[in-house]
Amino acid sequence: AQTVTQSQPEMSVQEAETVTLSCTYDTSENNYYLFWYKQPPSRQMILVIRQEAYKQQNATENRFSVNFQKAAKSFSLKISDSQLGDTAMYFCAWASNYKLTFGKGTLLTVNP
Amino acid sequence: SQTIHQWPATLVQPVGSPLSLECTVEGTSNPNLYWYRQAAGRGLQLLFYSVGIGQISSEVPQNLSASRPQDRQFILSSKKLLLSDSGFYLCAWAGLETQYFGPGTRLLVL
Repeated sequence: AQTVTQSQPEMSVQEAETVTLSCTYDTSENNYYLFWYKQPPSRQMILVIRQEAYKQQNATENRFSVNFQKAAKSFSLKISDSQLGDTAMYFCAWASNYKLTFGKGTLLTVNP
Repeated sequence: SQTIHQWPATLVQPVGSPLSLECTVEGTSNPNLYWYRQAAGRGLQLLFYSVGIGQISSEVPQNLSASRPQDRQFILSSKKLLLSDSGFYLCAWAGLETQYFGPGTRLLVL
């Protein structure tokens, strides 16, 4: 069975600094997708970034970028120039055949 | 563009009462649809998913059920709620392997 592990239950960062959230996964499949979702206090799940496993280039969306290491099955999220609005729970997820497996989340707090 | 709606937004129900949560999607046809539950401070648990009208797959045995009476409508039901059914229920639809979530329903069973 596929598993997704987020080893950091909580993290904090100062506003304007950079923070990296870790995620590892376990799968025997070769074609899959990886995601980071953000869940702010409103509890709305918001897609942050998506990575196709067959692409070697790391995905980037404005201040958010990933470090995808397929052989190591690692998929970390880097947030640059952190903003107060980035405070949220962040979930890493693995997908294949339209089914997602989520990690347990990392609670990120951005301090002023 | 696609949008996903859920209602009600909040629900307080007594133990043993029935439940019906509704999810509808606009702007897409024949989407894969999902129901998740999230307990407080925890990750998401997939409850049901559907690849078409009348096609329901259950991931976790429980006293909940799901139905898809129309292409873009997904309903989560229970005949008798348990205290353990309390939580945050999220509906999602899938496009290109990416799932997009609705705003969720907060259910409190007393």
